[in-house]
Amino acid sequence: GDSVTQMEGPVTLSEEAFLTINCTYTATGYPSLFWYVQYPGEGLQLLLKATKADDKGSNKGFEATYRKETTSFHLEKGSVQVSDSAVYFCALSSPNNFNKFYFGSGTKLNVKP
Amino acid sequence: GAVVSQHPSWVICKSGTSVKIECRSLDFQATTMFWYRQFPKQSLMLMATSNEGSKATYEQGVEKDKFLINHASLTLSTLTVTSAHPEDSSFYICSARKTGRNEQFFGPGTRLTVL
Repeated sequence: GDSVTQMEGPVTLSEEAFLTINCTYTATGYPSLFWYVQYPGEGLQLLLKATKADDKGSNKGFEATYRKETTSFHLEKGSVQVSDSAVYFCALSSPNNFNKFYFGSGTKLNVKP
Repeated sequence: GAVVSQHPSWVICKSGTSVKIECRSLDFQATTMFWYRQFPKQSLMLMATSNEGSKATYEQGVEKDKFLINHASLTLSTLTVTSAHPEDSSFYICSARKTGRNEQFFGPGTRLTVL
């Protein structure tokens, strides 16, 4: 079945450090891939998405490229800020599976000043 | 925009009572809404898919008689936790999908605590 695997956290970085959060997926057909961010006590906010192979999603300095050959969608940011501290979820949605969303386990990011 | 609201944002109830949570799409119509459950420090678990005007589709292992879902209009879905018990305490999040688009917009969540 469809699934998403994320690197376990927490990830602790100093401000202005480079961020990578790994995400790999298993899916039938050609899924769309997403990164969501959740701040404490809040719901999920869409950070970026990619709908086909080689697409790059980007938003607020974050980027992720849909790599079909490696079934990956790693999240990157060149210089993190304290305000980026949150939990990040990788997710997929496949038209072959009624467009249901499947989420990874989430990766908590702590950015220290 | 695409704003989804939930009400209440938090609720505390006694064991054995029922609790209703509302999910509304404020500025768009949503033929399909989804209900998720999130345990502390864990990911979201899809509970059910709610389709306007028809019965909800529940994921395996989710008790349909315990978690009643009603999607009476294109902007409102409700989740009722019946005869709640402490193990039902969790963060419940809904999402709504715009008709014709494969993107879900999430509500802010409802924290349920059952004493």
